[in-house]
Amino acid sequence: AQKVTQAQTEISVVEKEDVTLDCVYETRDTTYYLFWYKQPPSGELVFLIRRNSFDEQNEISGRYSWNFQKSTSSFNFTITASQVVDSAVYFCALRGNSGYSTLTFGKGTMLLVSP
Amino acid sequence: DVKVTQSSRYLVKRTGEKVFLECVQDMDHENMFWYRQDPGLGLRLIYFSYDVKMKEKGDIPEGYSVSREKKERFSLILESASTNQTSMYLCASSLPGTDSGNTIYFGEGSWLTVV
Repeated sequence: AQKVTQAQTEISVVEKEDVTLDCVYETRDTTYYLFWYKQPPSGELVFLIRRNSFDEQNEISGRYSWNFQKSTSSFNFTITASQVVDSAVYFCALRGNSGYSTLTFGKGTMLLVSP
Repeated sequence: DVKVTQSSRYLVKRTGEKVFLECVQDMDHENMFWYRQDPGLGLRLIYFSYDVKMKEKGDIPEGYSVSREKKERFSLILESASTNQTSMYLCASSLPGTDSGNTIYFGEGSWLTVV
């Protein structure tokens, strides 16, 4: 069985602060894929990044960066110099490699960035 | 650009009514999914389909059925709506499930209230 844990239910920061959202996963698959999605108040889930289990290189995209640590089964997401527009619920998700696999989501972390 | 469209953003239905939630994707994706999202529970998979007329139960199929008569359209049906089905419903699609790395793209969501 697959499981994704986002221990932080809600985080509040002030604009320009850096913030890290934690994600820990469990899977028996040797090949798997990890995702982060952003859900703004409008409701749509916006895809941010996909990472496969063979690629442990960290990735940076503008103010966003992701730290994949296979040894600790973690895929953490950092926003540098946060902005009010970053306020949203962020979901970490896992997709295995067995059969017609689907996404297993964490319960999400609500990020509130205040001016 | 990727587009998953859910026909109704907000619905209010009465207990016992039959409810149809429609979803259309324009990316020629084989896989389509229905999730529901509830506070504190995250996203949970109801049903998915990997081809026309094919369907598979997800984690919480009870009280729901689906229909996939055309590749681009995936309908979620509540045969007899109940108040515990008040929720946000998210439709999604992706490329063939044999490549689990393919990203799942989501629609904007349908907020259903059953009174």
